[in-house]
Amino acid sequence: DTAVSQTPKYLVTQMGNDKSIKCEQNLGHDTMYWYKQDSKKFLKIMFSYNNKELIINETVPNRFSPKSPDKAHLNLHINSLELGDSAVYFCASSQDRWIQGNEQFFGPGTRLTVL
Amino acid sequence: KQEVTQIPAALSVPEGENLVLNCSFTDSAIYNLQWFRQDPGKGLTSLLLIQSSQREQTSGRLNASLDKSSGRSTLYIAASQPGDSATYLCAVGAYSGAGSYQLTFGKGTKLSVIP
Repeated sequence: DTAVSQTPKYLVTQMGNDKSIKCEQNLGHDTMYWYKQDSKKFLKIMFSYNNKELIINETVPNRFSPKSPDKAHLNLHINSLELGDSAVYFCASSQDRWIQGNEQFFGPGTRLTVL
Repeated sequence: KQEVTQIPAALSVPEGENLVLNCSFTDSAIYNLQWFRQDPGKGLTSLLLIQSSQREQTSGRLNASLDKSSGRSTLYIAASQPGDSATYLCAVGAYSGAGSYQLTFGKGTKLSVIP
């Protein structure tokens, strides 16, 4: 059973398009995250949701909009894609947002290429 | 703002050697520290999680230590194997101004174990 899954695994699209990446976790966790790993392999947090509520929103262009229909899902929608958006996007989850049980579990990543 | 540094950026060792990967962080007010492994084109696999009150954690051939006051952690890998070849990421968990716990990642150490 896959704990944290993402779709699609690869996404190739043209500049200016709008695209979405989906994430689901079956661990029963309350908190989910989106991270971006750039071409230099540096991982940085973008968003965090706890039980469908946005709790972390780092300095990310407002073209990026996360949506959490329920606590098991956190989708990432990107409008007007730009070349600089090309990266690998990772979804992760943890039991809750406080100290206890905060080991984070990561999905396999979505490699986005903007042409 | 928390900064995490991993040294060396890359390491190549012959099979069977013991090795140490280093991680340092600038703000010692952390809750925990997590070591991950990332294989090429794959997601992150959690290896060890050390809470701030702990000094070390062990899992099989892996031993991670934490010296919170000096802002350092090490990952010791005993009797290295070619299958250990991967990028190892250190991530520090701390309280963010947004009211939640979040991970700050280092840029990783790329390990190659030569048969």
